[in-house]
Amino acid sequence: DIQMTQSPSSVSASVGDRVTITCRASQNIRSWLAWYQQKPGTAPKLLIYAASSLQSGVPSRFSGSGSGTDFTLTISSLQPEDFATYYCQQANSFRLTFGGGTKVEIK
Amino acid sequence: EVQLLESGGGLVQPGGSLRLSCATSGFTLSTYAMSWVRQAPGKGLEWVSGINYVGSNTFYADSVKGRFTISRDTSKNTLYLQMTSLRAEDTAVYYCARDLGSNYQISFLDYWGQGTLVTVSS
Repeated sequence: DIQMTQSPSSVSASVGDRVTITCRASQNIRSWLAWYQQKPGTAPKLLIYAASSLQSGVPSRFSGSGSGTDFTLTISSLQPEDFATYYCQQANSFRLTFGGGTKVEIK
Repeated sequence: EVQLLESGGGLVQPGGSLRLSCATSGFTLSTYAMSWVRQAPGKGLEWVSGINYVGSNTFYADSVKGRFTISRDTSKNTLYLQMTSLRAEDTAVYYCARDLGSNYQISFLDYWGQGTLVTVSS
């Protein structure tokens, strides 16, 4: 299976900060990568798919980049509602795999 | 409006079985790949199983292969996950999720249910 490694596992940031989360795949997954946001007690929400495509309804402060094995999720100006856990997920294989998650906490 | 509603979770003893259901509405189940994803208490997301949009191919994580079976009944607009030989480590909230694109492979998950809790304990 393709392993997905996220870093950092947690980050403390303030409202207005720029936040960057990275995800590395154990093999080339081309652009078959998604990012999700999850808040406590709720289901994950799709933010970015195909590495850089913004899902409908998602604010433009979220952006994704990368291809191959290295990917980045950027929140350009952190808002109060963005404090959550973020996961990457590969879809290069039909057996999907998720990264371990990055918790974005209030500084 | 797309909706997914899981049911069937509960407390089961180790070695026992359980069948989860995911009732869908607002889209045509026969044209979308579907997945089950679980989350153990305080842990991250783990993809468990998927079925392609045709319904002809199923896929499983190594951790559940041979014990879990995914299926669907398009006449009832319902996705299922039959779980057998359950272990303590299967304890989790189980989500069903729909694929982003119709008539496509298992890929990105755009709609999720609210989840159903499965607890495996004696």
